[in-house]
Amino acid sequence: QKEVEQNSGPLSVPEGAIASLNCTYSDRGSQSFFWYRQYSGKSPELIMSIYSNGDKEDGRFTAQLNKASQYVSLLIRDSQPSDSATYLCAVKVPQGGSEKLVFGKGTKLTVNP
Amino acid sequence: DGGITQSPKYLFRKEGQNVTLSCEQNLNHDAMYWYRQDPGQGLRLIYYSQIVNDFQKGDIAEGYSVSREKKESFPLTVTSAQKNPTAFYLCASRVLAGGRNEQFFGPGTRLTVL
Repeated sequence: QKEVEQNSGPLSVPEGAIASLNCTYSDRGSQSFFWYRQYSGKSPELIMSIYSNGDKEDGRFTAQLNKASQYVSLLIRDSQPSDSATYLCAVKVPQGGSEKLVFGKGTKLTVNP
Repeated sequence: DGGITQSPKYLFRKEGQNVTLSCEQNLNHDAMYWYRQDPGQGLRLIYYSQIVNDFQKGDIAEGYSVSREKKESFPLTVTSAQKNPTAFYLCASRVLAGGRNEQFFGPGTRLTVL
């Protein structure tokens, strides 16, 4: 069973702080990793993708990937109340001659003003 | 505007009825996907299609059917055989070529069985 694990939270941080979201995955063959943000009642929105070990920065967001440890994380700097949402980690896993995305259950983040 | 549209936004079904959820995209994406999301759960793959007139079962295909007669359209039918259909249904699409792996989601359809 190919799994993606996330802390369900809720994770609560004060405005302006760094929020750290973590994700582990079981399939060592995975090569592509994604973070989605989902506001309550809405559909997921892609915010970051990462394919290589190391860090990838985009504005206030930094994704970190460590394939040896099977670990991917998302850092949100200068957190804002508008960042309050559930963050989904998704991992592309090989499946026969094709591939699919496996999603974690999400971590709910609350940023307090 | 390019994007993925799903309709209706809310759908109510009586037990024993089949219902069809619409998904259309004008992004010229090759692959399309249907997921189901239940409260507190991750997204689960129902069906996917990489080319017209071809589709594959995902992890929870029982009680669902799809068609892909046009590249732009991938409707999902929830049949009466689906025992617990109340959920949030999400359609996604992506480009297959060029090493791009990102999937983008439509706004979703919330189905409730009365």
